[in-house]
Amino acid sequence: TQLLEQSPQFLSIQEGENLTVYCNSSSVFSSLQWYRQEPGEGPVLLVTVVTGGEVKKLKRLTFQFGDARKDSSLHITAAQPGDTGLYLCAGISGGSYIPTFGRGTSLIVHP
Amino acid sequence: GAGVSQTPSNKVTEKGKYVELRCDPISGHTALYWYRQSLGQGPEFLIYFQGTGAADDSGLPNDRFFAVRPEGSVSTLKIQRTERGDSAVYLCASSLIGGSPHEQFFGPGTRLTVL
Repeated sequence: TQLLEQSPQFLSIQEGENLTVYCNSSSVFSSLQWYRQEPGEGPVLLVTVVTGGEVKKLKRLTFQFGDARKDSSLHITAAQPGDTGLYLCAGISGGSYIPTFGRGTSLIVHP
Repeated sequence: GAGVSQTPSNKVTEKGKYVELRCDPISGHTALYWYRQSLGQGPEFLIYFQGTGAADDSGLPNDRFFAVRPEGSVSTLKIQRTERGDSAVYLCASSLIGGSPHEQFFGPGTRLTVL
């Protein structure tokens, strides 16, 4: 059972466009992580958000944690081909710090 | 420094066979995690070691799956009587300390195909 729903599942855009991907759940998480995974590689952590309403920026990427700590969004400004990959959100609850992953959004940025 | 490494990178086996997948964590990392990623899905937690002991094995799907970490470093995931549904990428990750917000670093995975 996937506790985290990610949308859209697939996204194909041109270089320079902006985009937003979403991660939604009915569960409350103590923190939420975003990863990027490239083909043949493991996921790489981009950011962890902890506080409801928190916004973090990583260059052209902006991450937001919902006020109720149930949802999150990732916005990419002026996408580049190097942004291509699978974007996974993962929620963490309890003391185990073991992430529960969504299915991911597969992003392709065309030059 | 070296990251998490996994061997083999690909494994093709026949239904009913036994397989072993190996993970070498980052040196000094005490926590080690195994995940399974099926096509079109995110990674699914299997088991977590803190040192030599399995701190949480709640994700193992059934008793055909077993993992060991005898010296607190290298870990082996063992699958008996493989089934076609076991086909997936098996990911290993390590972190400095388990049960903490320390970042998990993932290996490239072993792609298992059961024919």
